[in-house]
Amino acid sequence: AQSVAQPEDQVNVAEGNPLTVKCTYSVSGNPYLFWYVQYPNRGLQFLLKYITGDNLVKGSYGFEAEFNKSQTSFHLKKPSALVSDSALYFCAVRDMRPSTTSGTYKYIFGTGTRLKVLA
Amino acid sequence: DVKVTQSSRYLVKRTGEKVFLECVQDMDHENMFWYRQDPGLGLRLIYFSYDVKMKEKGDIPEGYSVSREKKERFSLILESASTNQTSMYLCASSEGGGRPETQYFGPGTRLLVL
Repeated sequence: AQSVAQPEDQVNVAEGNPLTVKCTYSVSGNPYLFWYVQYPNRGLQFLLKYITGDNLVKGSYGFEAEFNKSQTSFHLKKPSALVSDSALYFCAVRDMRPSTTSGTYKYIFGTGTRLKVLA
Repeated sequence: DVKVTQSSRYLVKRTGEKVFLECVQDMDHENMFWYRQDPGLGLRLIYFSYDVKMKEKGDIPEGYSVSREKKERFSLILESASTNQTSMYLCASSEGGGRPETQYFGPGTRLLVL
């Protein structure tokens, strides 16, 4: 079965330092991978996605993610963290097989990683 | 910009009550989804809809039903609320069509069942 894992419940980083939020996946075939961010009391917002092509994907708010097929990882990165980056981050993968009824694809989300950027 | 709205940000209900959560999207998206979010469990799919009046069960449909009478509106119904349904409920929509599409989320409804 397809799955994503976010091995860290929380990541703390000092403002101005680089940050990494980890995600590993388990899918058969080529994965479609996403990162979303959730600020307090808000819904999820799309950050970036990997479909195909360049392994380094750039997204919103200065974030980027590196797809590594050999390590089955899709880690989220930012060169210089801001206090305002403090939020809950979710990695997601599209299910490989669509529904046999509708052809709709489901998305499988990780458990989330809370990022705290300290001033 | 896609906008997904949810009818309530916070709800407090009693055990056994029937609860309606409503979601509206303004981008003519084919697909709509209901998730619940619980600490340590991430997002779990309850139901989704791929067209008007068409729905499919997600991973945790027990105790819930849904309704999609109009393309822009997708309702989640808790037939008889229970305390274990206390959670954050998130609605999302996406274009459909088989491409690996972005999901657009509403702000969420935090439901407390007493």
